[in-house]
Amino acid sequence: AAGVIQSPRHLIKEKRETATLKCYPIPRHDTVYWYQQGPGQDPQFLISFYEKMQSDKGSIPDRFSAQQFSDYHSELNMSSLELGDSALYFCASSTGTGNEKLFFGSGTQLSVL
Amino acid sequence: AQTVTQSQPEMSVQEAETVTLSCTYDTSENNYYLFWYKQPPSRQMILVIRQEAYKQQNATENRFSVNFQKAAKSFSLKISDSQLGDTAMYFCAFMNLGGSEKLVFGKGTKLTVNP
Repeated sequence: AAGVIQSPRHLIKEKRETATLKCYPIPRHDTVYWYQQGPGQDPQFLISFYEKMQSDKGSIPDRFSAQQFSDYHSELNMSSLELGDSALYFCASSTGTGNEKLFFGSGTQLSVL
Repeated sequence: AQTVTQSQPEMSVQEAETVTLSCTYDTSENNYYLFWYKQPPSRQMILVIRQEAYKQQNATENRFSVNFQKAAKSFSLKISDSQLGDTAMYFCAFMNLGGSEKLVFGKGTKLTVNP
């Protein structure tokens, strides 16, 4: 069965650079969630999209932006990277019909040097 | 806002024995789901079990079961016949229905199964 695909798996950037993380949800899933998990931390909700519209927003810095495209894939854009942005970034998808099951991707490990 | 508390940062258990991980939560909502996720060293987030708040019956998935006490806002996970592959970080999570259905996680419990 198809799963949530995230790319890249690993990303190394310098401070003040820009990064783009991509998420491809399970086919026919129209809802995407982004989470950030720092070292030794629990995942923190960043932002979610339903049918290409932002549906909720959490503790996402102003330096970050995201969108969901017509094919339902989503991209998280991160600018002016800081050392503290180093984390595992998860994407999850669901059908958005209230079936309450989120399927997680394998994550993108971002390291800011 | 909802909060999820896991009071045990680390736990260990011998292989084949039973272990219980604790979780409490705080919410004023009445319609919600609770989850336990497992995160092994690979860091993949794996759903272990979920509980609908409107159901009184405790959820069970093979060796994993929960003790859901709605009035006490408690949601513990029992792992029976522990296996070495159960070694992982376990996160308790809350989802409020009717909103964006995002998950709110606890800080996690690191479980080690010893041979």
